[in-house]
Amino acid sequence: TQLLEQSPQFLSIQEGENLTVYCNSSSVFSSLQWYRQEPGEGPVLLVTVVTGGEVKKLKRLTFQFGDARKDSSLHITAAQPGDTGLYLCAGTYNFNKFYFGSGTKLNVKP
Amino acid sequence: DVKVTQSSRYLVKRTGEKVFLECVQDMDHENMFWYRQDPGLGLRLIYFSYDVKMKEKGDIPEGYSVSREKKERFSLILESASTNQTSMYLCASGERGPGIPTDTQYFGPGTRLTVL
Repeated sequence: TQLLEQSPQFLSIQEGENLTVYCNSSSVFSSLQWYRQEPGEGPVLLVTVVTGGEVKKLKRLTFQFGDARKDSSLHITAAQPGDTGLYLCAGTYNFNKFYFGSGTKLNVKP
Repeated sequence: DVKVTQSSRYLVKRTGEKVFLECVQDMDHENMFWYRQDPGLGLRLIYFSYDVKMKEKGDIPEGYSVSREKKERFSLILESASTNQTSMYLCASGERGPGIPTDTQYFGPGTRLTVL
């Protein structure tokens, strides 16, 4: 059983559409990270959220940490083909240890 | 620019062979991690190390061992490779904050290991 559940598992959309990806848990995390991974490469950190209710923006990407620090969402506005990849969330509450979700595979068609 | 390198991008081994996967980081990080990534399962922690010669078991350590003789190098060892160890192996490193958990991990490009 995954500690962090991500949904949806797969998402295929047209360029220009908006989308939201979710990361949920029954556990409280001290911080939560979002990564993007391209085929054949390691994950690359996009953002870290640490405060309940926190919202961070990275260009067309908006990240939100739930008030109770158990869940998070990633919203992409006007998706582009360059956004294609595997999006992973990871939470930590134990010193130096991370727990990863299984990921959302996004395909943005031109 | 931060850099984590792994010794091989692709590796093919036979059942029963001893396999070494090497990871080197140039950021002087205290923490280093080994994960395996399988479809539908995400990244699962095998072992991690928070200092030279120190190691801690992750969630799936069975069939693996590690070595950290130098700060910049963390090796994953499969003593006797089996087909169920076919996977993508990812190494990561991170800083250890003063009294707080590190919240950033830098990943290498991964090694895709196939055990026949």
